[in-house]
Amino acid sequence: RKEVEQDPGPFNVPEGATVAFNCTYSNSASQSFFWYRQDCRKEPKLLMSVYSSGNEDGRFTAQLNRASQYISLLIRDSKLSDSATYLCVVKIIPNNDMRFGAGTRLTVKP
Amino acid sequence: EPEVTQTPSHQVTQMGQEVILRCVPISNHLYFYWYRQILGQKVEFLVSFYNNEISEKSEIFDDQFSVERPDGSNFTLKIRSTKLEDSAMYFCASSAGNQETQYFGPGTRLLVL
Repeated sequence: RKEVEQDPGPFNVPEGATVAFNCTYSNSASQSFFWYRQDCRKEPKLLMSVYSSGNEDGRFTAQLNRASQYISLLIRDSKLSDSATYLCVVKIIPNNDMRFGAGTRLTVKP
Repeated sequence: EPEVTQTPSHQVTQMGQEVILRCVPISNHLYFYWYRQILGQKVEFLVSFYNNEISEKSEIFDDQFSVERPDGSNFTLKIRSTKLEDSAMYFCASSAGNQETQYFGPGTRLLVL
């Protein structure tokens, strides 16, 4: 089983749609969780950290289920500029390295 | 806004040659990292560096690779005797603390011919 597994997509949605991405991780010692965004041929950029109680940042909502080892990202009212690959990332404390999923590609169309 | 910078943006080399990839982390950050991303694949951790020594490395980071902080600002990745499969995007990242957010540089695209 892969350490961090994501549906590769692609997800093709119209502007204004709501889209949800899922991610599962295999190492129960994983302690920190993130969603990064990566545009084509660019570096990963932090979108948001994921907290146990769930957290929201504008149109983006992240959820964590430790029992199921499952992370989700919900994007509401999607914009053209949301088109990117969304990377699920886990970190195992006290290690420094981050383990990336392969990413889910999103294309938002007019 | 402070950012991580990397040079060169692109590097083409012949198989068997040595390359040095350079990074300037964010100035007050203490933890430095190298990752690589082979085209079409996921981002993979290579090494982390703190207090002038390697704190962790992955199985990818074998004797072919080395890292150095030659002065107060630069952080380098040296790849000796490059192989075709070393072709990838190499990202440097830095963070203020072990548990803090890692910020990535724009990457160096390495092509080994």
